[in-house]
Amino acid sequence: DVKVTQSSRYLVKRTGEKVFLECVQDMDHENMFWYRQDPGLGLRLIYFSYDVKMKEKGDIPEGYSVSREKKERFSLILESASTNQTSMYLCASSWDFNHGSYEQYFGPGTRLTVT
Amino acid sequence: GQQLNQSPQSMFIQEGEDVSMNCTSSSIFNTWLWYKQDPGEGPVLLIALYKAGELTSNGRLTAQFGITRKDSFLNISASIPSDVGIYFCAGQNGGSQGNLIFGKGTKLSVKP
Repeated sequence: DVKVTQSSRYLVKRTGEKVFLECVQDMDHENMFWYRQDPGLGLRLIYFSYDVKMKEKGDIPEGYSVSREKKERFSLILESASTNQTSMYLCASSWDFNHGSYEQYFGPGTRLTVT
Repeated sequence: GQQLNQSPQSMFIQEGEDVSMNCTSSSIFNTWLWYKQDPGEGPVLLIALYKAGELTSNGRLTAQFGITRKDSFLNISASIPSDVGIYFCAGQNGGSQGNLIFGKGTKLSVKP
């Protein structure tokens, strides 16, 4: 079974703080993704990574950065948290698309509140 | 950007009823996926479809890849209370560097 874990289920941070969200997958997947999920807006892609040290911007990268130093770990960084970044953050992983599979497997999510 | 239209937005049904939901697009997709998300959890993959016309079952769930490749359907038979949650469709159309495009979800409520 694919297992994607996220470092925290719930997090409360203050405006201006630097926030780290960690994601680890145990399936040796090449691809990893960070999404945020808001009511009425669905899932929106923030950043993704095809390989170690590689990163690509998604649809809403502003205010975020990412780091992938090891294949199994993908970190999302909020450099200076703001209240409009209060959201549910979901990490996902998948095989390299050359495998012919586009199935993404999600972690349990981190509900971040910025006050 | 590319969008998937998922309907209905929400459904309130009685336990034991069958459920049907769908996703449509204006362009062709190569892959359709269906996920379920329980409250406060991440989405879980239910069914993956890779060929036009394909019909695949997973227990009481059945999903179909539309023959036009622009739509997909998910049916749940004999619903039970634990079917409650949000069901998402996702598609891959060969663009967006292989990333998925998600529908906004169908929220299912089941009355015992």
